[in-house]
Amino acid sequence: NAGVTQTPKFQVLKTGQSMTLQCAQDMNHNSMYWYRQDPGMGLRLIYYSASEGTTDKGEVPNGYNVSRLNKREFSLRLESAAPSQTSVYFCASSDRGGQPQHFGDGTRLSIL
Amino acid sequence: AQKITQTQPGMFVQEKEAVTLDCTYDTSDPSYGLFWYKQPSSGEMIFLIYQGSYDQQNATEGRYSLNFQKARKSANLVISASQLGDSAMYFCAMREGIYGNNRLAFGKGNQVVVIP
Repeated sequence: NAGVTQTPKFQVLKTGQSMTLQCAQDMNHNSMYWYRQDPGMGLRLIYYSASEGTTDKGEVPNGYNVSRLNKREFSLRLESAAPSQTSVYFCASSDRGGQPQHFGDGTRLSIL
Repeated sequence: AQKITQTQPGMFVQEKEAVTLDCTYDTSDPSYGLFWYKQPSSGEMIFLIYQGSYDQQNATEGRYSLNFQKARKSANLVISASQLGDSAMYFCAMREGIYGNNRLAFGKGNQVVVIP
C-alpha cells in the first residue's frame, strides 16, 4: 500500500551541485505535483503535471525543472542548487475532477 | 493576493474539547473546492475533509466537520472531542474550477496542541 513514494528522504548538497528528486505513485493518478514547504509557510506549488506528457509551472518554478517520465513517475531537478532552495519538498498525486491530493512523506533538502 | 488566509496563532486545547480552526478564501470562480490537511510533527500531509462550492450541506468526516459559510468565504474546520493525536499543523487549501488541473493553493497553517 505504497501510495506516493519519494526518494531520497534526506539530502545535503553544496551550492552549485545538481540533483534529482524522484517521485512515483501507484494509484494510477493522472495528475502529479511538486511543492516546497518553508518554515512558517504553507506548501507552495513548484510544478505540476496534469496528465502524462504535460508539465506546467506553478507559483515558484525558478531554479527547477521537471520530467513526467511516465504516468507513475514525476521527477524534480535542481540544476545548480542555491541555499534559498533549502526546504522540504513534497510530491503529490491526484485524479482530476476535485479529488484530494495524496502526498509523499517529503524530502528534506539542505544546501550549504 | 493571498488566496487562503489562516491567521490564528498557535492554539492550546484541552483533551476532549472541540476546537475550531479558521480559514477564509478569496476567489472569483463560482466553482471551487476546499480541503483541509493535517501535518503532524512527523511531517506527512494527511487529507481530512473536502467541501465543494456547490455542496448543499457542510462536509463531515468522523470527528471533523466543516463550517462552510459561502457568503463570508470561510471554511472553518471543527474538530470535536480532541485527542492527543490531534496535535499538529492544519492547512486549509483551495482548488479553483471543477474540471481543472486540481492545483491547490495552501494557507500558512494553524498550529494545534492538545493538552491532557
